[in-house]
Amino acid sequence: EIVMTQSPATLSVSPGERATLSCRASQSVSSNLAWYQQKPGQAPRLLIYGASTRATGIPARFSGSGSGTEFTLTISSLQSEDFAVYYCQQYNNWPTFGPGTKVDIK
Amino acid sequence: EVQLVESGGGLVKPGGSLRLSCAASGFTFSSYSMNWVRQAPGKGLEWVSSISSSSSYIYYADSVKGRFTISRDNAKNSLYLQMNSLRAEDTAVYYCARVKSGWTNLIDYWGQGTLVTVSS
Repeated sequence: EIVMTQSPATLSVSPGERATLSCRASQSVSSNLAWYQQKPGQAPRLLIYGASTRATGIPARFSGSGSGTEFTLTISSLQSEDFAVYYCQQYNNWPTFGPGTKVDIK
Repeated sequence: EVQLVESGGGLVKPGGSLRLSCAASGFTFSSYSMNWVRQAPGKGLEWVSSISSSSSYIYYADSVKGRFTISRDNAKNSLYLQMNSLRAEDTAVYYCARVKSGWTNLIDYWGQGTLVTVSS
Protein backbone atom coordinates (compact mmCIF):
# COMPACT_ATOMS: atom_id res chain seq x y z
CA GLU A 1 0.00 0.00 0.00
CA ILE A 2 1.23 3.48 -0.86
CA VAL A 3 1.12 5.66 2.24
CA MET A 4 0.40 9.35 1.77
CA THR A 5 1.46 11.98 4.28
CA GLN A 6 0.54 15.67 4.35
CA SER A 7 2.01 18.69 6.06
CA PRO A 8 1.24 20.73 7.95
CA ALA A 9 -1.77 19.24 9.71
CA THR A 10 -3.19 22.73 10.18
CA LEU A 11 -2.32 25.91 8.32
CA SER A 12 -3.52 29.25 9.63
CA VAL A 13 -3.68 31.87 6.91
CA SER A 14 -5.17 35.34 6.56
CA PRO A 15 -7.55 36.05 3.64
CA GLY A 16 -5.60 37.24 0.63
CA GLU A 17 -2.43 35.43 1.67
CA ARG A 18 -0.77 32.52 -0.10
CA ALA A 19 -1.12 28.97 1.21
CA THR A 20 1.28 26.14 0.38
CA LEU A 21 0.30 22.57 1.24
CA SER A 22 2.59 19.56 0.92
CA CYS A 23 1.94 15.91 0.17
CA ARG A 24 4.40 13.05 0.11
CA ALA A 25 4.02 9.48 -1.17
CA SER A 26 5.89 6.51 0.33
CA GLN A 27 6.89 5.46 -3.18
CA SER A 28 6.70 7.04 -6.61
CA VAL A 29 3.21 7.63 -7.96
CA SER A 30 4.48 9.42 -11.09
CA SER A 31 1.97 12.24 -11.71
CA ASN A 32 -1.02 10.18 -10.56
CA LEU A 33 -1.89 12.57 -7.77
CA ALA A 34 -5.11 14.45 -7.06
CA TRP A 35 -6.13 17.13 -4.58
CA TYR A 36 -9.60 17.42 -3.06
CA GLN A 37 -11.26 20.11 -0.98
CA GLN A 38 -13.76 19.19 1.71
CA LYS A 39 -15.90 21.58 3.72
CA PRO A 40 -17.75 20.51 6.89
CA GLY A 41 -20.75 18.33 6.16
CA GLN A 42 -19.95 18.22 2.44
CA ALA A 43 -18.50 15.68 0.06
CA PRO A 44 -14.96 16.16 -1.24
CA ARG A 45 -14.56 18.15 -4.45
CA LEU A 46 -11.88 17.41 -7.04
CA LEU A 47 -9.52 20.37 -7.47
CA ILE A 48 -6.41 19.06 -9.22
CA TYR A 49 -5.51 15.82 -11.01
CA GLY A 50 -2.44 14.67 -12.86
CA ALA A 51 -0.57 16.61 -10.16
CA SER A 52 -1.10 19.92 -11.92
CA THR A 53 -4.29 19.95 -14.04
CA ARG A 54 -7.20 21.92 -12.62
CA ALA A 55 -10.56 20.17 -12.69
CA THR A 56 -13.51 21.75 -14.45
CA GLY A 57 -14.63 24.99 -12.85
CA ILE A 58 -11.72 25.30 -10.43
CA PRO A 59 -10.37 28.86 -10.11
CA ALA A 60 -6.89 29.66 -11.36
CA ARG A 61 -5.74 30.58 -7.84
CA PHE A 62 -5.43 26.83 -7.21
CA SER A 63 -2.31 25.25 -8.66
CA GLY A 64 -0.54 21.96 -8.21
CA SER A 65 3.00 20.82 -8.82
CA GLY A 66 5.34 17.91 -8.28
CA SER A 67 5.90 14.36 -9.45
CA GLY A 68 7.22 11.12 -8.07
CA THR A 69 6.90 11.40 -4.31
CA GLU A 70 6.70 15.13 -3.54
CA PHE A 71 3.72 17.31 -4.38
CA THR A 72 2.47 20.79 -3.57
CA LEU A 73 -0.90 22.52 -3.70
CA THR A 74 -0.73 26.30 -3.76
CA ILE A 75 -3.63 28.67 -3.23
CA SER A 76 -2.31 32.01 -4.43
CA SER A 77 -4.69 34.35 -2.60
CA LEU A 78 -7.01 32.76 -0.09
CA GLN A 79 -10.69 33.61 -0.34
CA SER A 80 -13.20 33.08 2.45
CA GLU A 81 -14.64 30.05 0.65
CA ASP A 82 -11.23 28.33 0.56
CA PHE A 83 -11.08 27.62 4.28
CA ALA A 84 -11.52 23.86 4.34
CA VAL A 85 -9.67 20.56 4.63
CA TYR A 86 -7.53 19.51 1.68
CA TYR A 87 -6.68 15.90 0.90
CA CYS A 88 -4.18 14.49 -1.55
CA GLN A 89 -4.85 11.11 -3.14
CA GLN A 90 -2.69 8.85 -5.26
CA TYR A 91 -4.30 6.79 -7.98
CA ASN A 92 -1.20 5.11 -9.33
CA ASN A 93 -2.32 2.04 -7.43
CA TRP A 94 -5.38 1.34 -5.29
CA PRO A 95 -6.47 4.75 -4.09
CA THR A 96 -4.99 6.00 -0.86
CA PHE A 97 -5.51 9.38 0.71
CA GLY A 98 -3.40 11.61 2.89
CA PRO A 99 -4.66 12.54 6.37
CA GLY A 100 -5.55 16.05 5.24
CA THR A 101 -4.45 19.63 5.89
CA LYS A 102 -6.94 21.95 7.54
CA VAL A 103 -6.68 25.53 6.30
CA ASP A 104 -8.22 27.87 8.82
CA ILE A 105 -8.49 31.59 9.33
CA LYS A 106 -5.59 33.28 11.08
CA GLU B 1 -25.47 17.80 -13.81
CA VAL B 2 -23.87 14.75 -12.25
CA GLN B 3 -25.78 13.58 -9.18
CA LEU B 4 -25.00 10.69 -6.86
CA VAL B 5 -27.47 10.09 -4.04
CA GLU B 6 -26.70 7.48 -1.39
CA SER B 7 -29.25 5.83 0.87
CA GLY B 8 -29.55 2.89 3.23
CA GLY B 9 -27.37 4.01 6.09
CA GLY B 10 -28.42 3.74 9.72
CA LEU B 11 -27.72 2.18 13.09
CA VAL B 12 -26.88 -1.52 13.13
CA LYS B 13 -25.55 -3.86 15.82
CA PRO B 14 -22.12 -5.48 15.54
CA GLY B 15 -22.36 -8.56 13.36
CA GLY B 16 -25.35 -7.16 11.51
CA SER B 17 -25.88 -6.34 7.86
CA LEU B 18 -26.82 -3.31 5.82
CA ARG B 19 -27.22 -2.59 2.11
CA LEU B 20 -26.29 0.80 0.74
CA SER B 21 -27.61 2.14 -2.54
CA CYS B 22 -26.48 4.95 -4.79
CA ALA B 23 -28.75 6.45 -7.43
CA ALA B 24 -26.87 8.07 -10.28
CA SER B 25 -28.13 10.66 -12.75
CA GLY B 26 -26.85 13.28 -15.14
CA PHE B 27 -24.40 10.99 -16.94
CA THR B 28 -24.27 7.65 -18.74
CA PHE B 29 -23.87 5.46 -15.67
CA SER B 30 -23.11 2.30 -17.62
CA SER B 31 -19.93 3.87 -19.05
CA TYR B 32 -18.22 4.61 -15.75
CA SER B 33 -16.40 2.65 -13.09
CA MET B 34 -17.63 3.43 -9.61
CA ASN B 35 -16.19 3.35 -6.11
CA TRP B 36 -17.29 3.35 -2.50
CA VAL B 37 -15.14 5.47 -0.18
CA ARG B 38 -15.75 5.91 3.54
CA GLN B 39 -14.84 8.45 6.19
CA ALA B 40 -14.97 7.63 9.89
CA PRO B 41 -16.21 10.48 12.11
CA GLY B 42 -13.57 13.19 12.28
CA LYS B 43 -11.13 11.09 10.26
CA GLY B 44 -9.73 10.92 6.75
CA LEU B 45 -10.87 9.13 3.61
CA GLU B 46 -10.53 5.38 3.00
CA TRP B 47 -11.20 3.63 -0.31
CA VAL B 48 -13.51 0.64 0.19
CA SER B 49 -14.32 -0.96 -3.16
CA SER B 50 -14.33 -0.48 -6.93
CA ILE B 51 -16.42 -1.93 -9.75
CA SER B 52 -15.85 -1.51 -13.47
CA SER B 53 -18.55 -0.30 -15.84
CA SER B 54 -19.69 -3.79 -16.82
CA SER B 55 -18.96 -5.38 -13.42
CA SER B 56 -16.13 -7.39 -14.95
CA TYR B 57 -13.57 -6.11 -12.47
CA ILE B 58 -14.26 -5.80 -8.76
CA TYR B 59 -11.79 -4.93 -6.03
CA TYR B 60 -11.92 -4.50 -2.26
CA ALA B 61 -9.77 -2.98 0.45
CA ASP B 62 -8.29 -5.64 2.72
CA SER B 63 -10.27 -4.20 5.64
CA VAL B 64 -13.61 -5.23 4.07
CA LYS B 65 -12.67 -8.18 1.87
CA GLY B 66 -14.93 -11.18 2.50
CA ARG B 67 -17.53 -9.07 4.32
CA PHE B 68 -18.63 -6.44 1.77
CA THR B 69 -19.96 -6.97 -1.76
CA ILE B 70 -20.16 -4.25 -4.39
CA SER B 71 -22.59 -4.54 -7.29
CA ARG B 72 -24.38 -2.40 -9.83
CA ASP B 73 -27.50 -2.41 -11.99
CA ASN B 74 -26.85 -0.37 -15.11
CA ALA B 75 -30.49 -0.61 -16.16
CA LYS B 76 -31.45 1.15 -12.92
CA ASN B 77 -28.45 3.52 -12.83
CA SER B 78 -27.67 2.23 -9.37
CA LEU B 79 -24.66 1.15 -7.33
CA TYR B 80 -24.87 -1.02 -4.23
CA LEU B 81 -22.77 -2.08 -1.27
CA GLN B 82 -23.87 -5.11 0.73
CA MET B 83 -22.18 -4.98 4.12
CA ASN B 84 -22.18 -8.09 6.33
CA SER B 85 -20.51 -8.95 9.64
CA LEU B 86 -20.31 -5.28 10.49
CA ARG B 87 -17.84 -4.09 13.12
CA ALA B 88 -17.59 -0.93 15.18
CA GLU B 89 -14.66 0.19 13.01
CA ASP B 90 -16.96 0.19 9.96
CA THR B 91 -18.76 3.21 11.43
CA ALA B 92 -18.37 5.96 8.84
CA VAL B 93 -19.99 8.10 6.21
CA TYR B 94 -20.03 6.05 3.01
CA TYR B 95 -19.63 7.94 -0.24
CA CYS B 96 -20.56 6.75 -3.69
CA ALA B 97 -17.95 8.10 -6.11
CA ARG B 98 -17.51 8.16 -9.88
CA VAL B 99 -14.21 7.36 -11.56
CA LYS B 100 -13.22 9.92 -14.17
CA SER B 101 -13.68 8.59 -17.69
CA GLY B 102 -10.48 7.28 -19.21
CA TRP B 103 -8.68 7.20 -15.87
CA THR B 104 -8.03 4.50 -13.32
CA ASN B 105 -8.96 5.15 -9.69
CA LEU B 106 -9.28 8.93 -10.16
CA ILE B 107 -12.52 10.10 -8.56
CA ASP B 108 -14.17 13.15 -10.10
CA TYR B 109 -17.61 13.24 -8.45
CA TRP B 110 -18.83 12.24 -5.00
CA GLY B 111 -22.26 11.83 -3.48
CA GLN B 112 -23.20 13.51 -0.21
CA GLY B 113 -22.75 10.28 1.71
CA THR B 114 -24.82 8.10 4.03
CA LEU B 115 -23.89 7.48 7.67
CA VAL B 116 -23.47 3.93 8.93
CA THR B 117 -23.20 3.51 12.70
CA VAL B 118 -22.26 0.11 14.12
CA SER B 119 -23.01 0.01 17.81
CA SER B 120 -24.76 -2.15 20.36
